[in-house]
Amino acid sequence: DQQVKQNSPSLSVQEGRISILNCDYTNSMFDYFLWYKKYPAEGPTFLISISSIKDKNEDGRFTVFLNKSAKHLSLHIVPSQPGDSAVYFCAASVGTGRRALTFGSGTRLQVQP
Amino acid sequence: DTAVSQTPKYLVTQMGNDKSIKCEQNLGHDTMYWYKQDSKKFLKIMFSYNNKELIINETVPNRFSPKSPDKAHLNLHINSLELGDSAVYFCASSEGVAGNEKLFFGSGTQLSVL
Repeated sequence: DQQVKQNSPSLSVQEGRISILNCDYTNSMFDYFLWYKKYPAEGPTFLISISSIKDKNEDGRFTVFLNKSAKHLSLHIVPSQPGDSAVYFCAASVGTGRRALTFGSGTRLQVQP
Repeated sequence: DTAVSQTPKYLVTQMGNDKSIKCEQNLGHDTMYWYKQDSKKFLKIMFSYNNKELIINETVPNRFSPKSPDKAHLNLHINSLELGDSAVYFCASSEGVAGNEKLFFGSGTQLSVL
């Protein structure tokens, strides 16, 4: 039973366009969400996060949107750059609990020059 | 200067063998984790230690035994390796134990059991 789902295993976009990566979750206890980026042969690195008290968080070219009623979040990258090509993992947790992050299976983003 | 380092990067071994993966962090964090990335690419928590105390122990076969000699090190020992243990194992650390802590990951150990 996967509580965090990334239903698109891959996404290809042109350089300069918007990339939208989606994530759904089933556990209504989750109140903190993160996105991690992973290059080949490296570990995941933190990208951006959002608490459930917000519906949007922005950091430069990266924006995360949270729709609590739909149990859905998305990561927008604008404009996309070839260096953004990586696997993006969505993760969720109960923010105040002694729990580890629950990860999705990742979406591979390819940004074409 | 790598923040979270794990060794070896690749490990190829026969079924039935015992092997260890080592992890060290130089971030001064109190909490360390082992995650397993399975064939479906999900990253699943296995164990978590806070200041050498085991705080998370998911449903993992008891052939897997974590050891934390100090808060900067968390090693993973696996007895009687099986084919299904083949995966990428990631070590991670965070400042505290709360669920909203950022994790810092090592580069992974690719374990192949033949």
